Amino acid sequence: SYVLTQPPSVSVAPGQTARLACGGDKIGIESVHWYQQKPGQAPLLIIYDNTDRPSGIPERISGSNSGNTATLTISRVEAGDEADYFCQVWYSTSDQPWVFGGGTRLTVL
Amino acid sequence: EVQLVESGGALVQPGGSLRLSCAASGFTFNHYWIHWLRRGPEKGLEWVSRINMDGTSPAYADSVRGRFTISRDNAKNTVFLQMNSLRVDDTAMYYCARESVGDFDYWGQGALVTVSS
Repeated sequence: SYVLTQPPSVSVAPGQTARLACGGDKIGIESVHWYQQKPGQAPLLIIYDNTDRPSGIPERISGSNSGNTATLTISRVEAGDEADYFCQVWYSTSDQPWVFGGGTRLTVL
Repeated sequence: EVQLVESGGALVQPGGSLRLSCAASGFTFNHYWIHWLRRGPEKGLEWVSRINMDGTSPAYADSVRGRFTISRDNAKNTVFLQMNSLRVDDTAMYYCARESVGDFDYWGQGALVTVSS
């Protein structure tokens, strides 16, 4: 099965840039999706197909994907960005293709 | 407006059964695959099960196969998850979600399942 690896935690000061990594074997050839989950809320899709933002997601949230690492970048971090972030791929060669990373908790200092 | 609303969560003893429902509105229900996912306490997101548009092809994670059954009623815009032989490690918030070409674009607010004696 395909494994996605995320650091458990990232901390950043308000106004700075947070970069959250998602590692996987040749992940650069996969489509990576990112979800934000705040306490007590459902997950929210914030990036799909590596770089696209759903309607309503601010431009300071962006994604990239190359080689063995996909990255979610949050610019000008705000207190409201504090949440858990999960990467996900649809790995077509698996019989259970919907794979999630373990998640990264973003703390705004 | 797309909405997914889960119901049926409860406290249940190990070995017990529970049936979750996911009522959908705001989109053409029978054009989409619907999934169940869960997040346990201090754990990440885990895919549990999915059902295709006409309900003929369910799929399950290894952790629930043989114990959980997914089904749908397209006349009522509802998906169900029958959970049998529940274990303590099935304790989680269960979410239904709509799939859009590999990603999950809409999620319900969740149904809490607690398995404990």
